[in-house]
Amino acid sequence: GESVGLHLPTLSVQEGDNSIINCAYSNSASDYFIWYKQESGKGPQFIIDIRSNMDKRQGQRVTVLLNKTVKHLSLQIAATQPGDSAVYFCAETSGSARQLTFGSGTQLTVLP
Amino acid sequence: DSGVTQTPKHLITATGQRVTLRCSPRSGDLSVYWYQQSLDQGLQFLIQYYNGEERAKGNILERFSAQQFPDLHSELNLSPLELGDSALYFCASSPQDTSFPYEQYFGPGTRLTVT
Repeated sequence: GESVGLHLPTLSVQEGDNSIINCAYSNSASDYFIWYKQESGKGPQFIIDIRSNMDKRQGQRVTVLLNKTVKHLSLQIAATQPGDSAVYFCAETSGSARQLTFGSGTQLTVLP
Repeated sequence: DSGVTQTPKHLITATGQRVTLRCSPRSGDLSVYWYQQSLDQGLQFLIQYYNGEERAKGNILERFSAQQFPDLHSELNLSPLELGDSALYFCASSPQDTSFPYEQYFGPGTRLTVT
């Protein structure tokens, strides 16, 4: 079936640098995307979302970019901090029920 | 804190047994989703309820069942348990399901270990 996938399973960045986490999706009907952060032992935490009629959305220290032409989504984290270390999932949804289809996740490690 | 609560936090039980996982959505949210997170399958959608009615089914086994009660809390029942059911089970809630916004807020999860 259709799936959402991540390009890199792990990413290590220096504290203070910017992080970019990528995600490819295959369902062309996807019209809404969410990035979640999951820390060890916790549930996924909503970070930022974007609708398919947008190319870019900014939050606090985070930016999501959507390229529908190549079905690619990215999460940019500015000035990465130790507290940003976690697994990041992209998720997409479409249709009437709005259940989420998750990617496999990227482990972000922030180095001191 | 997302506002979604789940109980119990941990559950250890044996194959063949029955367990009930409980979820209370955020105040005002009508939609409840159940997800399973395992090492080999990742996060997978199981079932959704909206205002007491089943809305969508995903990869939910026939051994599993769920319901949403009039006070909007939901329960996921798993029986009879198999070793492969060991996983984290998350509940998420959303204000509605067919109108924007669609974001879902997750609870802390229930870790189920089947021995």
